[in-house]
Amino acid sequence: ETGVTQTPRHLVMGMTNKKSLKCEQHLGHNAMYWYKQSAKKPLELMFVYNFKEQTENNSVPSRFSPECPNSSHLFLHLHTLQPEDSALYLCASTNNLTPTGELFFGEGSRLTVL
Amino acid sequence: AQSVAQPEDQVNVAEGNPLTVKCTYSVSGNPYLFWYVQYPNRGLQFLLKYITGDNLVKGSYGFEAEFNKSQTSFHLKKPSALVSDSALYFCAVRDQSYLSGAGSYQLTFGKGTKLSVIP
Repeated sequence: ETGVTQTPRHLVMGMTNKKSLKCEQHLGHNAMYWYKQSAKKPLELMFVYNFKEQTENNSVPSRFSPECPNSSHLFLHLHTLQPEDSALYLCASTNNLTPTGELFFGEGSRLTVL
Repeated sequence: AQSVAQPEDQVNVAEGNPLTVKCTYSVSGNPYLFWYVQYPNRGLQFLLKYITGDNLVKGSYGFEAEFNKSQTSFHLKKPSALVSDSALYFCAVRDQSYLSGAGSYQLTFGKGTKLSVIP
């Protein structure tokens, strides 16, 4: 248990559906991240939020829409996805005021797009 | 720019034998280095990190890693492998030069090495 909780753990959706992934941390961290992990590919950083402000968007398609209502919660809204978006989506958090700090990851949400 | 290389996609080792998972890095300043482990269908778990000081860092589950500045390496080691160590291992780096305004605060991850410990 890392203190970062992701729901749902598994999600199957059609290309026309709209769904959301949720991430919650109660570690007092001020930075939260979304990563995409596809089979046989390196981890891809998608979005970074510092103190609820988005500070990084790594050229992610607009069908992925992040939301960070407060420093403890992070959402990834999904709509009109493609089958190649099927992957494990990992949320992570850290205290970015501590330069030596590691990331704490959630267990991931396994997304399958049909 | 910062980068990490894990030259082996897969490492196989017999149970009870020592294991090494290799990692080399490239940064413009001094590095902060990290190792993570990922079990199937799970998130990444932090194992250990090198910040400064002693080049040999000890971490969770009996793992250790040796920082070698001249070889820009940070290999993960364990004296005696267990079947339960079978997992995907990721090395990551953060460049300290971000503190001066250069470089990136973000962690850069290697592509991962699959460790299989054979009974």
